[in-house]
Amino acid sequence: EAQVTQNPRYLITVTGKKLTVTCSQNMNHEYMSWYRQDPGLGLRQIYYSMNVEVTDKGDVPEGYKVSRKEKRNFPLILESPSPNQTSLYFCASSSLGANQPQHFGDGTRLSIL
Amino acid sequence: AQSVSQHNHHVILSEAASLELGCNYSYGGTVNLFWYVQYPGQHLQLLLKYFSGDPLVKGIKGFEAEFIKSKFSFNLRKPSVQWSDTAEYFCAVRAGGFKTIFGAGTRLFVKA
Repeated sequence: EAQVTQNPRYLITVTGKKLTVTCSQNMNHEYMSWYRQDPGLGLRQIYYSMNVEVTDKGDVPEGYKVSRKEKRNFPLILESPSPNQTSLYFCASSSLGANQPQHFGDGTRLSIL
Repeated sequence: AQSVSQHNHHVILSEAASLELGCNYSYGGTVNLFWYVQYPGQHLQLLLKYFSGDPLVKGIKGFEAEFIKSKFSFNLRKPSVQWSDTAEYFCAVRAGGFKTIFGAGTRLFVKA
């Protein structure tokens, strides 16, 4: 089954404790992206990647890092999480091409205390 | 800067009513337009997309959208909504690259 898998689904942690949210897709997609969803703001793009070792900033990259060492994986790293990063995070992937729709994971709900 | 505006944040309809959700974007060049739906507790799913050709596009579950270039709009419509259409709807634009801009979303509640 074609899918985007995120882990963990839920995480409660404390300020400053480094965390990683993993994302993996099995569709051989070149393009992968991370979004955060906040009430009233919709989805805002954090980072995206067009292929292995190619990443670029979205609209809200501050406080986040990503890496793309393998085509299927695109982890999101919060080196020093802060409460304003409490949010619902979605990973997405698609074929390369601006007209290609994205496939989304089930989301990761992060709470930073 | 690119932006996407969804005019209605909350919409409440009775079953069988007609639906139109507004979406306007700001970008002067070629755009790729999408509507996604997020059912309660689920991830986003594609409803329909437009990138060229017929400006009236049909999607899943009876939804359609019309691209009006002169108005920078891509409104979503459905002639008769069902209770199962209760969800949040997002308009999204991809233009000139691989950044994607989403609107703030419209929460639709359909009364049975």
